[in-house]
Amino acid sequence: KQEVTQIPAALSVPEGENLVLNCSFTDSAIYNLQWFRQDPGKGLTSLLLIQSSQREQTSGRLNASLDKSSGRSTLYIAASQPGDSATYLCAVSDSSYKLIFGSGTRLLVRP
Amino acid sequence: DVKVTQSSRYLVKRTGEKVFLECVQDMDHENMFWYRQDPGLGLRLIYFSYDVKMKEKGDIPEGYSVSREKKERFSLILESASTNQTSMYLCASTNPRDRFSDTQYFGPGTRLTVL
Repeated sequence: KQEVTQIPAALSVPEGENLVLNCSFTDSAIYNLQWFRQDPGKGLTSLLLIQSSQREQTSGRLNASLDKSSGRSTLYIAASQPGDSATYLCAVSDSSYKLIFGSGTRLLVRP
Repeated sequence: DVKVTQSSRYLVKRTGEKVFLECVQDMDHENMFWYRQDPGLGLRLIYFSYDVKMKEKGDIPEGYSVSREKKERFSLILESASTNQTSMYLCASTNPRDRFSDTQYFGPGTRLTVL
């Protein structure tokens, strides 16, 4: 059974710092991996989707990498801002389109 | 932009009531999903649907049913609400026709409290 783990559970950094969020999964037979952002009490917003054949995806200050063989993904946030404060969720998809989520990393960027 | 809407942001119901949570998407997506999100447990899949009138059980279907009479609408039904169904409920949809852009789009969520 696929399990997704995110480390750390919470992170507090000063504004301007570059940071890395980690995601690991136990079964490498995935179709894709997605990173989501969730603000308190709100739904999820998709940030980046990496297909299993890809190594990374970039959007603005965000860069996500995927190493399927080792079951790992990282989300790199450059020059963090207070507006980046949110919970970041990693999820993997199998051939049935279902998503298996990690428990998230709660990020606080201090002004 | 894809829009997924949910009928209520907040809902308070009593134990034993029948509860309907509605989800509508405007992008002609075939696949729709219902999740619940609880502290410490993350998001868990309740039910999903690949097409009209089709439904599949997710990881935690007990105490729930679903209905998909129209492509754009996916309803989650709590036949007899219980306090352990107090949770945040999230609906999502995706387009399976292109696996290179099959991002799941989520609604804003419904926070359900069962008293």
